[in-house]
Amino acid sequence: TQLLEQSPQFLSIQEGENLTVYCNSSSVFSSLQWYRQEPGEGPVLLVTVVTGGEVKKLKRLTFQFGDARKDSSLHITAAQPGDTGLYLCAGAKGNNRLAFGKGNQVVVIP
Amino acid sequence: EPEVTQTPSHQVTQMGQEVILRCVPISNHLYFYWYRQILGQKVEFLVSFYNNEISEKSEIFDDQFSVERPDGSNFTLKIRSTKLEDSAMYFCASSVKIGYTFGSGTRLTVV
Repeated sequence: TQLLEQSPQFLSIQEGENLTVYCNSSSVFSSLQWYRQEPGEGPVLLVTVVTGGEVKKLKRLTFQFGDARKDSSLHITAAQPGDTGLYLCAGAKGNNRLAFGKGNQVVVIP
Repeated sequence: EPEVTQTPSHQVTQMGQEVILRCVPISNHLYFYWYRQILGQKVEFLVSFYNNEISEKSEIFDDQFSVERPDGSNFTLKIRSTKLEDSAMYFCASSVKIGYTFGSGTRLTVV
């Protein structure tokens, strides 16, 4: 079983502040994906990282894949209320089966 | 933006009944999946399907579950003799290779 631990589980910040959430595992993944999930909806893909050390940016969101391909972080700069949501990381190990973490619930207060 | 479409959005069924959950994956995608999410828990892998056959299944996907791609566009998940613990959101997803597109899910409630 590939266990992905996301921390913190819950984070509440003021609009305009920066935040970083983490996704850690003892397993090596061929790729790692970040999704955002709204209540009652399916996960929506934000980014896929494949190479150890890779950094990808999506507007104010910066995703990093650890050098050893076991962990990842998501940094949000100048958070907006629209960034509120559940951020899920999911790792794949060569095949297409994904193992999901429990998520980082982010709340941005106006 | 291409979408994965799932029907129905909600299904209530009595314990022991069979249900079929339906999905229309994105047309040029090659890999199809079913995942489920019990309320408050992680999204869990059930099964992957490629080239008209199951490529991998989890320990959850036992003999009560089956999948089919009957007509080249639909992808179905059948649950025979549903149990209370089958109550969950069921998500269909498809991909070209990595990076899935998920549907909005079917909320299955077994009573």
